Amino acid sequence: LAKTTQPISMDSYEGQEVNITCSHNNIATNDYITWYQQFPSQGPRFIIQGYKTKVTNEVASLFIPADRKSSTLSLPRVSLSDTAVYYCLVDRNYGGSQGNLIFGKGTKLSVKP
Amino acid sequence: DTAVSQTPKYLVTQMGNDKSIKCEQNLGHDTMYWYKQDSKKFLKIMFSYNNKELIINETVPNRFSPKSPDKAHLNLHINSLELGDSAVYFCASSSRTEAFFGQGTRLTVV
Repeated sequence: LAKTTQPISMDSYEGQEVNITCSHNNIATNDYITWYQQFPSQGPRFIIQGYKTKVTNEVASLFIPADRKSSTLSLPRVSLSDTAVYYCLVDRNYGGSQGNLIFGKGTKLSVKP
Repeated sequence: DTAVSQTPKYLVTQMGNDKSIKCEQNLGHDTMYWYKQDSKKFLKIMFSYNNKELIINETVPNRFSPKSPDKAHLNLHINSLELGDSAVYFCASSSRTEAFFGQGTRLTVV
């Protein structure tokens, strides 16, 4: 499984765009990149998944450069409710359908008023 | 309907006791997991099952034993509870694209 590296923490203010970058230098050809969000006292929640280039949904965008050795989760105009831990996962079995859903330490995002 | 449900939500028990945490998913997923999240907030995988077969069994004491009676259920039984077992335990299930987590069971061993 590709190892991921993320910043331990980030601070932002309401209304700003937040970009969290994840490094995965030994990503394999068949690996997908998935991001999860975890609020205090809750289980992680799927945000977005991608393989290459750009993916966008109603919550976030995911940017993946051509070499796929990193990815950036972009949260537009964050609010206080976006304060959470964000996990980057790399796995060849998509969302872990074969049982290899391994979480790293994540990035603790703190949004201030 | 709750996709992944765990019971109980809170569990306070004494050292040495045996306890079980139940997990059920109604999503039709083949893969289910148990995770432990301790006070340092590191989310560590304990077990994963695919079609009722054990896939991952991380370095977990033998006192922890998962049981999967069918694809929709993955229960966690813990024998001889210790203080260090205090944590939040999450159950999850996954499709090919994403995983769904339960609300967690906060276990406190006193």
